[in-house]
Amino acid sequence: GDSVTQMEGPVTLSEEAFLTINCTYTATGYPSLFWYVQYPGEGLQLLLKATKADDKGSNKGFEATYRKETTSFHLEKGSVQVSDSAVYFCALSESAGKSTFGDGTTLTVKP
Amino acid sequence: EAGVAQSPRYKIIEKRQSVAFWCNPISGHATLYWYQQILGQGPKLLIQFQNNGVVDDSQLPKDRFSAERLKGVDSTLKIQPAKLEDSAVYLCASSGISGRAQSGETQYFGPGTRLLVL
Repeated sequence: GDSVTQMEGPVTLSEEAFLTINCTYTATGYPSLFWYVQYPGEGLQLLLKATKADDKGSNKGFEATYRKETTSFHLEKGSVQVSDSAVYFCALSESAGKSTFGDGTTLTVKP
Repeated sequence: EAGVAQSPRYKIIEKRQSVAFWCNPISGHATLYWYQQILGQGPKLLIQFQNNGVVDDSQLPKDRFSAERLKGVDSTLKIQPAKLEDSAVYLCASSGISGRAQSGETQYFGPGTRLLVL
């Protein structure tokens, strides 16, 4: 079946550091890929997505590129802020919207 | 636009008791999902509805869990009887402006119901 493997956390960075959170997936078809974020005390919300190979999703300075050849969708940000502290979930969605999530990576950014 | 509403936000019960959670999706969304999120893990899909029909319930423990979406709007998830391992956050999400869930659609999540089974 489908699966998503995320880089284990927690990840602790200083403000303005470069962020990478690795995500790889296994799927039978051609899924869409997502990054969702959960800020402290809030619900899950979409950060960015890509629906086909080589697409790049971007939002709030975060980027991820759908790499079919390496089955990856790594999340990157050039300069993190304290307000980026949250739990980040990588997910895939096959046809009919069925989704599979990774276990999440907790990011803490220190001033 | 109002988001996905869930109630209650917190629930504490003893094992073997029953519990019910309610979800009201975003207006117009045809697809509704229930997820179970155990501490330290990602959300796991329990059941997916398309309007008032079930699309996928392959991971729903049907001996104790049930869900319904009568009239294709709000939904109820029930656990009877509860076990200790059911302690988790139960998330409801909705999607599907187009009327039929597709691979690239964004899911909109409610705040979740945190269940503790003692």
